[in-house]
Amino acid sequence: NAGVTQTPKFRILKIGQSMTLQCTQDMNHNYMYWYRQDPGMGLKLIYYSVGAGITDKGEVPNGYNVSRSTTEDFPLRLELAAPSQTSVYFCASSSSGRAWNEQFFGPGTRLTVL
Amino acid sequence: TQLLEQSPQFLSIQEGENLTVYCNSSSVFSSLQWYRQEPGEGPVLLVTVVTGGEVKKLKRLTFQFGDARKDSSLHITAAQPGDTGLYLCAGPTSSNTGKLIFGQGTTLQVKP
Repeated sequence: NAGVTQTPKFRILKIGQSMTLQCTQDMNHNYMYWYRQDPGMGLKLIYYSVGAGITDKGEVPNGYNVSRSTTEDFPLRLELAAPSQTSVYFCASSSSGRAWNEQFFGPGTRLTVL
Repeated sequence: TQLLEQSPQFLSIQEGENLTVYCNSSSVFSSLQWYRQEPGEGPVLLVTVVTGGEVKKLKRLTFQFGDARKDSSLHITAAQPGDTGLYLCAGPTSSNTGKLIFGQGTTLQVKP
């Protein structure tokens, strides 16, 4: 099993450009999450999904969009990149929504907006 | 708003020393988790504590959940360079979506 994979690993964007961060998991998990991690900070939840076709906002959703057409894929879209979106983005998945369940994380995408 | 505060934020010690990292909140959590993150990688779950007063051991790592379920600690005995990394505590914000809030993390550097 590859687990959770993310592409690309690194990306530099210009202000106003758009891009999609890809996330795929092969564990047949219904629950998936997008986080951002800024230096000296923990992870902040951007969006999450409890199953194909169902998504909801997390703590910091402004400037982002998501879709979940399949169980495996959960792409994150940045429409108009801003310097404040410079961060490391992590995708995670979980087999259930129970509070004590483990989340499995991808290796991250490091995004710089100039 | 639920918050998790970790201390210290940064710890640099010599191999063989002991250390404790703290995760505190004013809110009650049904459970708390500890993740470890190495540079360039995503966090990996170390442990979940679910009962107030619970103590769990993972080799040289000892995790404790406070009696009131508002805090947790991670104690490492005889730290080794391989323990170097970012340690994150996390707690659930809902009972059925798996949503987590994270502390800001403790960066541990263990020098040989």
